[in-house]
Amino acid sequence: QVQLQESGPGLVKPSQTLSLTCTVSGGSISSGDYYWSWIRQHPGKGLEWIGYIYYSGSTYYNPSLKSRVTISADTSKNQFSLKLSSVTAADTAVYYCARGKDDDFDIWGQGTMVTVSS
Amino acid sequence: QSVLTQPPSVSGAPGQRVTISCTGSSSNIGAGYDVHWYQQLPGTAPKLLIFSNINRPSGVPDRFSGSKSGTSASLAITGLQAEDEADYYCQSYDSSLSGSLVFGGGTKLTVL
Repeated sequence: QVQLQESGPGLVKPSQTLSLTCTVSGGSISSGDYYWSWIRQHPGKGLEWIGYIYYSGSTYYNPSLKSRVTISADTSKNQFSLKLSSVTAADTAVYYCARGKDDDFDIWGQGTMVTVSS
Repeated sequence: QSVLTQPPSVSGAPGQRVTISCTGSSSNIGAGYDVHWYQQLPGTAPKLLIFSNINRPSGVPDRFSGSKSGTSASLAITGLQAEDEADYYCQSYDSSLSGSLVFGGGTKLTVL
């Protein structure tokens, strides 16, 4: 079955760019049926959608984060990535990648904790 | 403040029925956009529990059910079990401010 796995640094310095990758196994991100998302969860808080990328390469971002977010895909590696620029302590969170269809998220990665600190 | 409003906590004894509400507005649930529900067990990633208002993914027990009316939606859990203790989130689409997928603030279910 399809599985997603996040990877990337667990510690990022303030003002730098947070970079994470999600590796998809058991299915192709080029499939036209799904979109590939990033979602985060601040410690002890709720969920926040960051954005997603379609198989076509089209991207859609949360308006509140749009100026700092870039999501891209590497179909040859079956991966998609998140870049969040100019990070502050407020970006400290668990970051999840997820597969979406029809505006829901049916498969999630296990999540990776990213701390922003000097 | 979340666009979708959920009670911070609910509780029930084993075997009982509990409901969790998700209140939105005319730019999300009231506009006809679907509501989805997720269960997050402690220390784990969220899991899709109900999609498109009323549908259960394969493997989700029929003790879990969803409904939607007007600008609100609800998740009902019958025959409450200890393993149902978790955080529950509703999610929909909001058409205001260029559009965004939005989550409720989450509800902590405690099984007494």
